[in-house]
This record gives sequence, structure tokens and C-alpha cells, in this order.
Amino acid sequence: GQNIDQPTEMTATEGAIVQINCTYQTSGFNGLFWYQQHAGEAPTFLSYNVLDGLEEKGRFSSFLSRSKGYSYLLLKELQMKDSASYLCAVDSGGYQKVTFGIGTKLQVIP
Amino acid sequence: DTAVSQTPKYLVTQMGNDKSIKCEQNLGHDTMYWYKQDSKKFLKIMFSYNNKELIINETVPNRFSPKSPDKAHLNLHINSLELGDSAVYFCASSQRQTYEQYFGPGTRLTVT
Repeated sequence: GQNIDQPTEMTATEGAIVQINCTYQTSGFNGLFWYQQHAGEAPTFLSYNVLDGLEEKGRFSSFLSRSKGYSYLLLKELQMKDSASYLCAVDSGGYQKVTFGIGTKLQVIP
Repeated sequence: DTAVSQTPKYLVTQMGNDKSIKCEQNLGHDTMYWYKQDSKKFLKIMFSYNNKELIINETVPNRFSPKSPDKAHLNLHINSLELGDSAVYFCASSQRQTYEQYFGPGTRLTVT
């Protein structure tokens, strides 16, 4: 089966750095996605990690450790518009095998 | 231009009715998906369609049936609607099965 865990809620201050963790146990693994979803809107793609290590993209970075079944999304210089849910999703290979976690609702406060 | 579009955006209907949601993508992608996002915001895949091959999620009731007239369209038909079907349904597409997915704006279905 597939099991993906991430915190349900987090709060951080504008201008700060926040790290959203995701652990997974899946029957297969090709890579891991992070999506952002603002309230009432569709998810939008942030990153896709296949290899171990950190990938940086502007204020957002994503880290993967395949051996530990662990990933995190790092958001720097937080802005109010970063308030959203962040979905971790595992691509476990094969047909339609992209499984989403419950999502972490991040609230950025002044 | 809208990449992935869905109609309608809102759908309110009574139990027992049959309804359809339409989805179109103009990205030239080979793979399309239907997701259900419930009140707890959990996004769960229902179907994926890769070219001519439909992959059915066995946990989805057979009241739900996807239909793909061509590669750019994947519609969702729901028979005998139930209260538990109330959710937001997202259509998505990707170039291939393991590539990033582009989501439509969602259809909020309310069954009364």
C-alpha cells in the first residue's frame, strides 16, 4: 500500500523560513512531487525530485532522501501569498500511481 | 489560453440524478486524470487515461464512468448520485504519466 505523512497545519511569520516535511512508504518509487494549492483553487506544480539532494528554485527548495523515505519543502522569505496548502505526492511508478498526501495547510502571519 | 478547462464550475443536483462533467486540455498531453477532493481536502485519484488506455481505480464505484472521445477530452459521468459524492472534482493532464500534472479549475459538486 501507499502511506504518505505530512503535518496537517503549520504557521510561520512573514519573512521567515519554514520547512514542510513529508515521509512516505510506498510499494514503488520513481520520484516525489510538491504542489501548492491556494484555497478554492487548483493545485499547481512546484517541484519534482528523483535523485537524493536539494533542488533550489527561487525561494522554494525541495529535498529528497530516497533511503529514508523523506522529503521536505523549504520556503524562504515567506510572503503572505505563500499561505496555502502544500501537497506532497509520490510517483510510485506504473499506471496512475501518483498518490497525494493529505496536504499541509500553511498560514503566514504578519 | 486556458490549458485545462472544466465545465461546469458548480453543479448542484439531487440524489439519484445522473450528471456529467466535461474536461478539455489544449496542451497536447497524452495522459489525463480525474481526481476527487473531499471536504477534508484529501486529493484522491479516480482514473487516468493514457492515449487509448483507461486505468480504473478499483476503489471507485462503478457509478462513475470516464469517457474520452479523443486525446484532448476526458469527461466524467456519474450515475445515481449520492450525498457522499459531494466534493470538488479536478481534471488534470500531463505529458506522460510521471510528468508534472496541470490541473483544471475544479467542479464543485453538491448533492442534496
